[in-house]
Amino acid sequence: SQTIHQWPATLVQPVGSPLSLECTVEGTSNPNLYWYRQAAGRGLQLLFYSVGIGQISSEVPQNLSASRPQDRQFILSSKKLLLSDSGFYLCAYPGPYYGYTFGSGTRLTVV
Amino acid sequence: QKEVEQNSGPLSVPEGAIASLNCTYSDRVSQSFFWYRQYSGKSPELIMSIYSNGDKEDGRFTAQLNKASQYVSLLIRDSQPSDSATYLCAVNGNYGQNFVFGPGTRLSVLP
Repeated sequence: SQTIHQWPATLVQPVGSPLSLECTVEGTSNPNLYWYRQAAGRGLQLLFYSVGIGQISSEVPQNLSASRPQDRQFILSSKKLLLSDSGFYLCAYPGPYYGYTFGSGTRLTVV
Repeated sequence: QKEVEQNSGPLSVPEGAIASLNCTYSDRVSQSFFWYRQYSGKSPELIMSIYSNGDKEDGRFTAQLNKASQYVSLLIRDSQPSDSATYLCAVNGNYGQNFVFGPGTRLSVLP
């Protein structure tokens, strides 16, 4: 069966510090992978998606970047965090019935 | 710009009542429609998908789609306090395209 893992679950980082969030998928090969962000009280905003190793599409210009070094690994990074980067970060892949299956998420607070 | 709109709520219903959640979308060529439930602090989970006009029932949940009116709804019968959550509507043009999520409707079921 397919599973998706995200870590860490929570993170508190100072402004200007770097960021690395990791997402891995098991039980499937070469899945499309997505990074979403949900700000407090807001909807889901698509940040990046990837259709394969080394292939990254950015949906929103921002302080973040993404990489896909391996088939089932998707990484979200930042060199210098801003206060506005705070939010709930979710990794997702196409799951049953063509809907998305989300990871458990990382709650990032930039202080 | 593809848009998905939902009333933000909160929608409050008494236990045992029918909760009705609504969603409208702007892209006429949308093909797939999804409802996600998101408990506070958790990631969204897929609860219903619908692709053709009419009703689709799954247990206490019924999804309704009207493509001519660009409208999709979710009915929850015999609402329970455990149904209290934010419900997200998501729309997709074709498989492989990126979803557009609505901002979500917060449902509160009062015991």
